[in-house]
Amino acid sequence: QKEVEQNSGPLSVPEGAIASLNCTYSDRGSQSFFWYRQYSGKSPELIMFIYSNGDKEDGRFTAQLNKASQYVSLLIRDSQPSDSATYLCAVDGTDKLIFGTGTRLQVFP
Amino acid sequence: DTGVSQNPRHKITKRGQNVTFRCDPISEHNRLYWYRQTLGQGPEFLTYFQNEAQLEKSRLLSDRFSAERPKGSFSTLEIQRTEQGDSAMYLCASSPPLTVNTEAFFGQGTRLTVV
Repeated sequence: QKEVEQNSGPLSVPEGAIASLNCTYSDRGSQSFFWYRQYSGKSPELIMFIYSNGDKEDGRFTAQLNKASQYVSLLIRDSQPSDSATYLCAVDGTDKLIFGTGTRLQVFP
Repeated sequence: DTGVSQNPRHKITKRGQNVTFRCDPISEHNRLYWYRQTLGQGPEFLTYFQNEAQLEKSRLLSDRFSAERPKGSFSTLEIQRTEQGDSAMYLCASSPPLTVNTEAFFGQGTRLTVV
């Protein structure tokens, strides 16, 4: 059974700080990794995907992948209160995504 | 709006009743997924269609659940003889063809409450 693990949080950071969200996965053969943002009561929204080792940047977001350690992270720079949400890590499980339970991020002014 | 559309947005039903949800994927997407999400959990995979073919079903999908995608466009998810444990958000997602990744775009979801 493929698994994706995330700390449920909440992770509290002050406005303007860097938020670091982490995820580990069990299947060493996994190829693609996704970060979704989910506001309370809403559906998941795709933020980024990554499939190569290293960093991938998109605006204030940076995804980091280390396949040897089976570790994916999402950095949010200059965090804003509007970033407060649950962040879901997902792994490509062959014709479906396997999600972690999500990390709740709180950005306080 | 060219996103994934789900109807209804909310459904309250009595235990034992049947319910049906509809999903209209993004028009050029041939892959369609159903997920279920309960409070504090990530979405759990239920089933996957490529065009009209149902290619994978989760063990979570009991025989009370059935999904169809008759013409490879919209899909329906039916739950028969609903139970209180079926209360959840039912999410539909779609993906474009011919991509390496399984990036999926979600609809707004249908929140089911069984009383």
